[in-house]
Amino acid sequence: QVYLQESGPGVVKPSETLSLSCTVSGDSIGTYFWTWIRQPPGKGLEWIGYMSQSGSYMYNPSFRSRLTLSMDRSNNQFSLRLKSVTAADTAMYFCARPQAGRADAFDVWGQGTMVTVTS
Amino acid sequence: QSVLTQPPSVSGAPGQRVIISCTESSSNVGATYDVHWYQQLPERAPKLLIYSNRNRPSGVPDRFSGSRSGTSASLTITALLPEDEGDYYCQSYDSSTESRVFGGGTRLTVL
Repeated sequence: QVYLQESGPGVVKPSETLSLSCTVSGDSIGTYFWTWIRQPPGKGLEWIGYMSQSGSYMYNPSFRSRLTLSMDRSNNQFSLRLKSVTAADTAMYFCARPQAGRADAFDVWGQGTMVTVTS
Repeated sequence: QSVLTQPPSVSGAPGQRVIISCTESSSNVGATYDVHWYQQLPERAPKLLIYSNRNRPSGVPDRFSGSRSGTSASLTITALLPEDEGDYYCQSYDSSTESRVFGGGTRLTVL
């Protein structure tokens, strides 16, 4: 059984950098396109981007100038850094694993971590 | 504006059937990309319900089915149960931005 667990600060100040990690247990971090998805309160899902062990990545153009995804293979973690946050970045952030060999059809999700941007 | 358009809400009585549509915008015209469906129950993470238009992951009841016709996809839920109440999202690929995209979501109410 594969489990994903997000971690990070619950509150971030405007203009600062949001950093989140997702720890993968029950599977190797290799071979998948590990993905971040977010959901503002009361709103729908928004795909942020993915990164794979091989170093390939794709970012949602809406975030491209502020976003960095990375991997820590030794700890079986992947991470998100989002710079210059505003209140619009307040959301539940999910990490997710797509089906093998593809970059969507997300069949494993973390429980999500709520991030509030406020001074 | 989402590349994938869903009705904001649908409803049905227990035992009935509901259909949720997902229509692709013109930015994807000329190509067909797989559509996937997710169920999000209140206060829960989304769950993959249907992948590649019509396939059910292991453990998903056969009351849930997906179909695809041209630029539209549909999720059909038969024999509605009260526990089916929640939000349903379609997801596909937007070639214009090379991004995965979600529909705006449909709130299912079981009357």
